[in-house]
Amino acid sequence: KNEVEQSPQNLTAQEGEFITINCSYSVGISALHWLQQHPGGGIVSLFMLSSGKKKHGRLIATINIQEKHSSLHITASHPRDSAVYICAVKTGNQFYFGTGTSLTVIP
Amino acid sequence: EAGVAQSPRYKIIEKRQSVAFWCNPISGHATLYWYQQILGQGPKLLIQFQNNGVVDDSQLPKDRFSAERLKGVDSTLKIQPAKLEDSAVYLCASSLDIGGTDTQYFGPGTRLTVL
Repeated sequence: KNEVEQSPQNLTAQEGEFITINCSYSVGISALHWLQQHPGGGIVSLFMLSSGKKKHGRLIATINIQEKHSSLHITASHPRDSAVYICAVKTGNQFYFGTGTSLTVIP
Repeated sequence: EAGVAQSPRYKIIEKRQSVAFWCNPISGHATLYWYQQILGQGPKLLIQFQNNGVVDDSQLPKDRFSAERLKGVDSTLKIQPAKLEDSAVYLCASSLDIGGTDTQYFGPGTRLTVL
């Protein structure tokens, strides 16, 4: 079993829709990261969370430490949001990554 | 501010050959990471440096992989000899703090193809 599980694996949405990507983890963590990877591109760090909620533009990330769960929300989605979104957690000195959620936003 | 630099961007080699990748982190970043990302999978941490010391290399296949960060700035990752299953994107990232809870900045990656 992977330490980090993401759902859904693939997601297709119409432009303007509200999108939620979920991440569950099974280890105690010191931090959780949400990353964005565009096709053929590098990885961009979106958020680093250890508690509560963070917002940046149309992106919102929340974490519930007790439930070991985090969500990434995208409001008013746009085709340029199409990318793979990866959840990663840090425990001790080790990082564990989810396999990513591939998002396609259709105009 | 310049980002994390990596070279080469692409490399194609035959199995059993050797290859080396280079990473220059953001200036002042104490922590440097090397990740391996196989197609369709999330990144896997290979090694983490704090300045010029190794913090974690538990997932580094030490029989063929080696990495160093001699002066605590740039770093090299070497594979010798390469196997087919080493085909992947090798990502370098750096962060300012030493605890690993700070934002990581990723380089563009080096895409390795082993034939």
